[in-house]
Amino acid sequence: QQQVKQSPQSLIVQKGGIPIINCAYENTAFDYFPWYQQFPGKGPALLIAIRPDVSEKKEGRFTISFNKSAKQFSLHIMDSQPGDSATYFCAASKFNRNAGGTSYGKLTFGQGTILTVHP
Amino acid sequence: DVKVTQSSRYLVKRTGEKVFLECVQDMDHENMFWYRQDPGLGLRLIYFSYDVKMKEKGDIPEGYSVSREKKERFSLILESASTNQTSMYLCASSRSYASGRPGANVLTFGAGSRLTVL
Repeated sequence: QQQVKQSPQSLIVQKGGIPIINCAYENTAFDYFPWYQQFPGKGPALLIAIRPDVSEKKEGRFTISFNKSAKQFSLHIMDSQPGDSATYFCAASKFNRNAGGTSYGKLTFGQGTILTVHP
Repeated sequence: DVKVTQSSRYLVKRTGEKVFLECVQDMDHENMFWYRQDPGLGLRLIYFSYDVKMKEKGDIPEGYSVSREKKERFSLILESASTNQTSMYLCASSRSYASGRPGANVLTFGAGSRLTVL
């Protein structure tokens, strides 16, 4: 059961284009929505994240748009560069508390999008 | 600058062999995770641990077990490897928070261990 669905599976754009990657989730208890970026041979690394109390978050050329009522969020990359070519994963998590009383998050990831930006 | 280290980048094993994947983090994180990465399926959680000797099943624990005897080390064990366990395995760690909602749930990943089972 895939709780976070991501599309498209792959995306090719020209330099300067604006790739958009979409994610949809089912669990309304999710309260944290990050995007991770993975380069070949490396592990994923946090790129940008949003909480459901805001509809948009920008960090440099990367923007998350969030639609709580539709249970969807998307990543936009402005002025894309060949160096942005990577695999992108959306994710979602909800607040958890363990038996010891401390809280932690457990991420559920989407299927991933392979982005290629041509020079 | 490496913070999460996975001991083996590439492994080739035979069906039925016992496989150990080791992960060490140097950030004093409480939580550690094992994910499996497959094309078109994304990252799927196998097991996680929020404290030494504590473990919880993730979404796909069948065929796997884990061990966490020290805070910095989290091992994934395949008791009898099968060809459908051929995959990229990613270890990650994160902080816990003493109370209330976590300020951010940031996972730091290792570079991955690519396992091939013949």
